[in-house]
Amino acid sequence: QQPVQSPQAVILREGEDAVINCSSSKALYSVHWYRQKHGEAPVFLMILLKGGEQMRHEKISASFNEKKQQSSLYLTASQLSYSGTYFCGTWGDSNYQLIWGAGTKLIIKP
Amino acid sequence: DADVTQTPRNRITKTGKRIMLECSQTKGHDRMYWYRQDPGLGLRLIYYSFDVKDINKGEISDGYSVSRQAQAKFSLSLESAIPNQTALYFCATSDPNTSRYGYTFGSGTRLTVV
Repeated sequence: QQPVQSPQAVILREGEDAVINCSSSKALYSVHWYRQKHGEAPVFLMILLKGGEQMRHEKISASFNEKKQQSSLYLTASQLSYSGTYFCGTWGDSNYQLIWGAGTKLIIKP
Repeated sequence: DADVTQTPRNRITKTGKRIMLECSQTKGHDRMYWYRQDPGLGLRLIYYSFDVKDINKGEISDGYSVSRQAQAKFSLSLESAIPNQTALYFCATSDPNTSRYGYTFGSGTRLTVV
């Protein structure tokens, strides 16, 4: 079951904050976050593990609420370099591979 | 050198032609994957392999085949290319403990079928 990402797209001014959510209907063991620039490969940002701590990559942090089966990605004081599409991938007990969300497109304007 | 290398980077082919996309990795990972990405859409799994003797179909395997020649090499073939197979194709690898570690992607192959 594909996780649901929201919003589908967001436009920010440089320096503003954003939150991207990823929700699953299934119990999760871990949630992965990736960023993809246009025409490039997705790049791994971080993993949130069940029972683990909130993670951080530069000024990007993420949390994982196991009970709600959802993860949130927090982009603080956004920079132009944060533009791209953010994908979450979920891993449940019965998974053999990541199940990917449809992505959230983030546009940062100067 | 990149950890995961895909060749070619770009390819234009004609309808009905057979084409092979190649992927090689130096990560030492057993698990390899082929994904397809269409404009504005997410990643869709075509095939995956957990070791040389283990190959599995993903959600959109029709029209595609794969070969795992070695731990480091995983090729994707389009037996008879059709225009709706025009897309960006990614190869990825992962450690067996994927639930704890991320995927590493190749740079992608942009395929156009005319």
